Amino acid sequence: EAQVTQNPRYLITVTGKKLTVTCSQNMNHEYMSWYRQDPGLGLRQIYYSMNVEVTDKGDVPEGYKVSRKEKRNFPLILESPSPNQTSLYFCASSLISRDTQYFGPGTRLTVL
Amino acid sequence: AQSVAQPEDQVNVAEGNPLTVKCTYSVSGNPYLFWYVQYPNRGLQFLLKYITGDNLVKGSYGFEAEFNKSQTSFHLKKPSALVSDSALYFCAVSDTGGFKTIFGAGTRLFVKA
Repeated sequence: EAQVTQNPRYLITVTGKKLTVTCSQNMNHEYMSWYRQDPGLGLRQIYYSMNVEVTDKGDVPEGYKVSRKEKRNFPLILESPSPNQTSLYFCASSLISRDTQYFGPGTRLTVL
Repeated sequence: AQSVAQPEDQVNVAEGNPLTVKCTYSVSGNPYLFWYVQYPNRGLQFLLKYITGDNLVKGSYGFEAEFNKSQTSFHLKKPSALVSDSALYFCAVSDTGGFKTIFGAGTRLFVKA
């Protein structure tokens, strides 16, 4: 089944404790992206990747890191999480940029 | 600056009536426009997109959208609403460079039986 998977689905952590949210797609898509969803703000793009080893900042990259060492994986790293990063996070992929994106199920992160 | 506006936080409609969810955009160049739907506790699902060609685009679940270049709008429509259409709807546009995607704030649709 073609899909985007994210892990974990739920995470409660404390300020400053490094964490990684994994994202994997099995559709051989070139383009992958991370978003955060906050009430009243819709989805805001954090980082995107056009292909392996090619990443760039979205609109809200502060406090986040990404890497794209393999085509299928695009992990999101929070090296020192803060409470303002409490949010619902979505990973998405598409065959190429400007194409239909397929979304993962989301990761609900709470930073205390 | 490039942006997407969904002017209504919530739309209420009775089952069987037509529905419209509004979206306007601001982007230079030719826009690539999308509608996505989010059901409770789920990820976003693609509904339809406009790239070029016919201004009326048909998508999943009986939805359609009309691209209006002069009004920079891309309103989502359905002739007859179902209770199961109740969800959160997002309009999105790919920016001119083609790598960033800008989403609207979302519109919650309530369809009453």
